[in-house]
Amino acid sequence: AQRVTQPEKLLSVFKGAPVELKCNYSYSGSPELFWYVQYSRQRLQLLLRHISRESIKGFTADLNKGETSFHLKKPFAQEEDSAMYYCALGSNYQLIWGAGTKLIIKP
Amino acid sequence: EAQVTQNPRYLITVTGKKLTVTCSQNMNHEYMSWYRQDPGLGLRQIYYSMNVEVTDKGDVPEGYKVSRKEKRNFPLILESPSPNQTSLYFCASSYRGGNTIYFGEGSWLTVV
Repeated sequence: AQRVTQPEKLLSVFKGAPVELKCNYSYSGSPELFWYVQYSRQRLQLLLRHISRESIKGFTADLNKGETSFHLKKPFAQEEDSAMYYCALGSNYQLIWGAGTKLIIKP
Repeated sequence: EAQVTQNPRYLITVTGKKLTVTCSQNMNHEYMSWYRQDPGLGLRQIYYSMNVEVTDKGDVPEGYKVSRKEKRNFPLILESPSPNQTSLYFCASSYRGGNTIYFGEGSWLTVV
C-alpha cells in the first residue's frame, strides 16, 4: 500500500541548531515527493519537490530510494522556520499526505 | 496572479442549516480537491475532481457534497451541518492530480 510516514508529530530545536524532519514512503514505482509548509493560520504552500533539487529558505531534501526516505534538512534553524511541515507523495493522480510534523524553534 | 480563492473565510452556523463554501481557481487547473484539517489528524481529503463533471470521494466524504460544473469552480456543500464538521477547510487545485498543488487560504467553519 502507498503510504507516507512522518514519525515525529512534534520536533523542538534551538535556534541555530540543525533540523531534520523525517519522511518515509511506501511506493512501488518512481515516486514524486513534495514538502509543504504551513505557517501559523496560513495556507499550505509548496516548499520543495524532489525533482527540482533546489534549496528553499535553506531547506534541502534528498530522495533516498534505498531507504525510501525524503527527509527535510536545514543546517541552522531560524525562529521563522516554526511551522507545520507535511510530506506528500504523488501517486495515481493523487497526493498521499503524511500526518505532519510541527516544528518549534526555541530562541 | 495565480490564486485559489475560497469563501467564506470564517463562518459560524447552526446545526442543520445548509451552507456552501465556494472555491475558485484562475490557473485553468483540471484537478481540484477539498481537505479538512483537524488538530492531531493532519489533512484529510473530502472530495476531489479530475475534471469538469468528474468527482470522486476522498477519505472522509460523509456529510459533504461537491459539484464541478465549470473548470474553475468547485463548491463544497454541507446539506445538514453537524458539530463534528467544525474544522478548517482547504480547497486546492493542480494541473493534474499528483502534481504540485496550490491551496486556498482556508475556511474556518464552526457548527454549533
